[in-house]
Amino acid sequence: ETGVTQSPTHLIKTRGQQVTLRCSSQSGHNTVSWYQQALGQGPQFIFQYYREEENGRGNFPPRFSGLQFPNYSSELNVNALELDDSALYLCASSPPSGGEQETQYFGPGTRLLVL
Amino acid sequence: DQQVKQNSPSLSVQEGRISILNCDYTNSMFDYFLWYKKYPAEGPTFLISISSIKDKNEDGRFTVFLNKSAKHLSLHIVPSQPGDSAVYFCAASGVGGADGLTFGKGTHLIIQP
Repeated sequence: ETGVTQSPTHLIKTRGQQVTLRCSSQSGHNTVSWYQQALGQGPQFIFQYYREEENGRGNFPPRFSGLQFPNYSSELNVNALELDDSALYLCASSPPSGGEQETQYFGPGTRLLVL
Repeated sequence: DQQVKQNSPSLSVQEGRISILNCDYTNSMFDYFLWYKKYPAEGPTFLISISSIKDKNEDGRFTVFLNKSAKHLSLHIVPSQPGDSAVYFCAASGVGGADGLTFGKGTHLIIQP
């Protein structure tokens, strides 16, 4: 069973640029969530996608956007990059809900550095 | 306003002894709690979870205790092993889970030989 994969592993951008990060969910998982982890902090929820639609969002500005595809893979797009966007970006997938809370399983992350 | 707090940034425990990691939360709407372990340069790895209808869940060396009245949970690792050295994150979610997981800042557990 393949786990959650993310690409690229590392990325360097300059302020004002745009970036796209990619995530493949674990086999059988249909929900994808994205998190930002700054140095020394816990991951912070950006948004969640289910059935190709955003169904939950954290306290992040609109320049953070996403997509989910029919195969449940997902993209995170960040426009007009700022220095504070430098962080580890984590993708997590979870299986179809059986009426109870489902555990989220994380990928290895993409380390983004904005100069 | 931190809704999930891990007040110990680090904890050192001797190999073979019990490790106890603590977590407090403020949001009474949280109903599902999880512990993740994270090594450097890797994503968080799921360890164990507990629903708000329970007060204890056990899986091998790992046990999570939930005290809803105190809004407190703890992770017990017995016996502690060198491979347990990592950063441990406590996380919580509300009903339905669409608001994502809310994480604490983590506790760095160091197992000493």
